[in-house]
Amino acid sequence: DQQVKQNSPSLSVQEGRISILNCDYTNSMFDYFLWYKKYPAEGPTFLISISSIKDKNEDGRFTVFLNKSAKHLSLHIVPSQPGDSAVYFCAASGIIQGAQKLVFGQGTRLTINP
Amino acid sequence: GAGVSQTPSNKVTEKGKYVELRCDPISGHTALYWYRQSLGQGPEFLIYFQGTGAADDSGLPNDRFFAVRPEGSVSTLKIQRTERGDSAVYLCASSPSGVDTQYFGPGTRLTVL
Repeated sequence: DQQVKQNSPSLSVQEGRISILNCDYTNSMFDYFLWYKKYPAEGPTFLISISSIKDKNEDGRFTVFLNKSAKHLSLHIVPSQPGDSAVYFCAASGIIQGAQKLVFGQGTRLTINP
Repeated sequence: GAGVSQTPSNKVTEKGKYVELRCDPISGHTALYWYRQSLGQGPEFLIYFQGTGAADDSGLPNDRFFAVRPEGSVSTLKIQRTERGDSAVYLCASSPSGVDTQYFGPGTRLTVL
C-alpha cells in the first residue's frame, strides 16, 4: 500500500530549462509535505517543504505546489543546473503521537543535460 | 556544525549473524529516527525516539530488529539472526524536537551474504 507515489522513475531535462517532478498521495491525514534530494553515497538532504494550509512555497530556484483536492504536489526547478542531477524524494507526514513520521515516495532520478 | 554521522559506512555479514549499526545525531536534537532504504525504493520508517524512549516502533519489521538510545544521544540499531532480505541502506535522521525538519546521515549499507 504505497501512500506516496512518484510515478516517474527518471526525468531528463536540458540545462536552463524547467524541471517538474510530480508526487501523488492517498492519505488525507497528511498535513506536511517535503522534498529531499539525494546524491549517491549520501543521505537525503532537505530541499523544501509545504504545509497543507498553503498551496505554494518558493525558495530561490525551487517551488513546491500543493493541490489538496487532487492529492498532488509538484516540485519545479528553474532554471535547471547540472548540480541538480540527483534522486528526488517526495515525503509526507502527519502529526502522529507528536512525531513527524515521514512516508517517502520511490524517488525520481533527475538528470540535467548540458 | 557536525551533521548526523553513522558507522560503519558499509557492513558485510553472513546470514544468521548479529549486527549493530550506530548513529550519532546532531548535538542537541531530541528526536532520532531510523529508516531503511531498499534498492529502487524510498526510505521506509523503522523507529522514532524522543529522548531515551522509543515513541513509535511501528516500522520495525519483526522482533529480530531492536534499537536503543540509552542516554538520549547516540542510538544503536541491532539486528539479530540477519537474513539476506535485511540487505539495505539503513538511514538515521535527527530533528530538534520531533516536529521539525529531519536531517539525515549518510547511511550504513548492510549486505547479508
